[in-house]
Amino acid sequence: AQTVTQSQPEMSVQEAETVTLSCTYDTSESDYYLFWYKQPPSRQMILVIRQEAYKQQNATENRFSVNFQKAAKSFSLKISDSQLGDAAMYFCAYRSAGMRFGAGTRLTVKP
Amino acid sequence: NAGVMQNPRHLVRRRGQEARLRCSPMKGHSHVYWYRQLPEEGLKFMVYLQKENIIDESGMPKERFSAEFPKEGPSILRIQQVVRGDSAAYFCASSPGQDREQFFGPGTRLTVL
Repeated sequence: AQTVTQSQPEMSVQEAETVTLSCTYDTSESDYYLFWYKQPPSRQMILVIRQEAYKQQNATENRFSVNFQKAAKSFSLKISDSQLGDAAMYFCAYRSAGMRFGAGTRLTVKP
Repeated sequence: NAGVMQNPRHLVRRRGQEARLRCSPMKGHSHVYWYRQLPEEGLKFMVYLQKENIIDESGMPKERFSAEFPKEGPSILRIQQVVRGDSAAYFCASSPGQDREQFFGPGTRLTVL
């Protein structure tokens, strides 16, 4: 069974600075997808970024980028130039048929 | 192009009643997934359905919970004889194929009194 671990229940960052959220996963599959979702207070799940395991290049979406280490089964999210609107719960997810989510990291952005 | 729709957004039930949660996938999506989120926790996969078929129900509780996705109409998650521990947010997601991105609905918050 696939498991996803987020070891940081809470993180805090100063506005305009950079923060990295950690995620590790366990799987025996060789081809899979990894995701980071953002859940603001509205509770809507918003896709931030995704990574195909067969791609060596790290995915990037504007201020969001990942550090994907396949051998280490690590998938961290880096948020650059943090903004107040980035404050939310962030969930790392592994997709088999259904998504397997980590427990989440609550990110606070300080003005 | 409307997104994934769920209704009701909020549902209150007393212990022992039945809860029916509805999910209309995005147009063109034939794959539906249900997730449950307990307070202060991540989403937990419950069931994956493709039109008229249950593909993976490994996350569904063995009793009281059932799901369907008929040929016509929305997908339904049904909880019989609800208990307080069923109080949670239930999210539906849809995709055009198994290996494609999942789009999430706004969720239904179930409260059991």
